[in-house]
Amino acid sequence: SQTIHQWPATLVQPVGSPLSLECTVEGTSNPNLYWYRQAAGRGLQLLFYSVGIGQISSEVPQNLSASRPQDRQFILSSKKLLLSDSGFYLCASSADRGEKLFFGSGTQLSVL
Amino acid sequence: SQQGEEDPQALSIQEGENATMNCSYKTSINNLQWYRQNSGRGLVHLILIRSNEREKHSGRLRVTLDTSKKSSSLLITASRAADTASYFCATDFGNEKLTFGTGTRLTIIP
Repeated sequence: SQTIHQWPATLVQPVGSPLSLECTVEGTSNPNLYWYRQAAGRGLQLLFYSVGIGQISSEVPQNLSASRPQDRQFILSSKKLLLSDSGFYLCASSADRGEKLFFGSGTQLSVL
Repeated sequence: SQQGEEDPQALSIQEGENATMNCSYKTSINNLQWYRQNSGRGLVHLILIRSNEREKHSGRLRVTLDTSKKSSSLLITASRAADTASYFCATDFGNEKLTFGTGTRLTIIP
């Protein structure tokens, strides 16, 4: 079983400030890693996924970027936050494509 | 859009009753998965059913898959207050990612 560590749980940032959310995975090697965003009361929107170190696929054009500097580390970043970046961010991991996802506990980001 | 759609969007039932949620999708899948999310938390995997399977059980959960109708259902029997959560279906279309539906918000009334 995999364990996903995601922090912080809550973050309030001013518009124009930078962002760095980190996610680390335990219990598996070479996982597929994902960043999702969830608007209040809505479904999950896939932002980025990675099948290996340094390999990042972006699903939607946006103000955010992702990096995978180590096998079990996935980072979501922004140089300048926008109001529209507010939301609930979830990191997830799977052992292989199409297999079940393990989720972190999420970060509630409010951009003011 | 390949996104699955859950139905109903919201469901309220009395404790002890059964709850049924449905998921429909548009293109062929490798597998379909169901997840639960408690408010403000991450999602928890419940069941994975592959395209060549028709039914799976896990405790009080029963999932069916009808690939001819491109639909799946999740049945929770003998519901409990702790089952109150949002439930999502997710579909694997054979690429590197799962596509999630918009969810069903289930409320169990004690």
